[in-house]
Amino acid sequence: DAGITQSPRHKVTETGTPVTLRCHQTENHRYMYWYRQDPGHGLRLIHYSYGVKDTDKGEVSDGYSVSRSKTEDFLLTLESATSSQTSVYFCAISEKGYTEAFFGQGTRLTVV
Amino acid sequence: DQQVKQNSPSLSVQEGRISILNCDYTNSMFDYFLWYKKYPAEGPTFLISISSIKDKNEDGRFTVFLNKSAKHLSLHIVPSQPGDSAVYFCAASSRTGTYKYIFGTGTRLKVLA
Repeated sequence: DAGITQSPRHKVTETGTPVTLRCHQTENHRYMYWYRQDPGHGLRLIHYSYGVKDTDKGEVSDGYSVSRSKTEDFLLTLESATSSQTSVYFCAISEKGYTEAFFGQGTRLTVV
Repeated sequence: DQQVKQNSPSLSVQEGRISILNCDYTNSMFDYFLWYKKYPAEGPTFLISISSIKDKNEDGRFTVFLNKSAKHLSLHIVPSQPGDSAVYFCAASSRTGTYKYIFGTGTRLKVLA
């Protein structure tokens, strides 16, 4: 299995609070991604990174920011959590950016 | 604007028979396609992929077919097994683009014993 770890695995937070999710990889892959999974919507791309300090927006980036200061870590921050951000969040890594990507186990976030 | 579509939310198949999952895409820039399988409470796992220079790729019981002119791909599972029951996502990417994966909404496959 690809070495990819998401933390925390579960989190409950209050509306309006900032939240940071962490994705850590041991594969030294260049590309990293954050997706959210919601019923009826599949996996939607939030942000992705194509190198250290190089990031770009995905399909549903509003309300989210990311940072990648090291190859191995990709952080997703919800600046002010809303109930619509209740979801399961997946991090993924890829060596080439178009061949197979490997996913973490997911973080279940509940905003109350 | 959904660039990758899986129009069948669910599919039920008898054990031992063929499962066919379909996927359509709209963006001609996509030239690499992937299928993922997802069990509840787990991350998606890569299953099989195909480059646009091919029209078929096989890996054991799994075969992916690509019809570029129709912008359509399908995943065939033969024979289907109860352990194949999961949600299947297709995804599209580009070798010379923005290096991101666009996923469909998924098809829930149930293989009946």
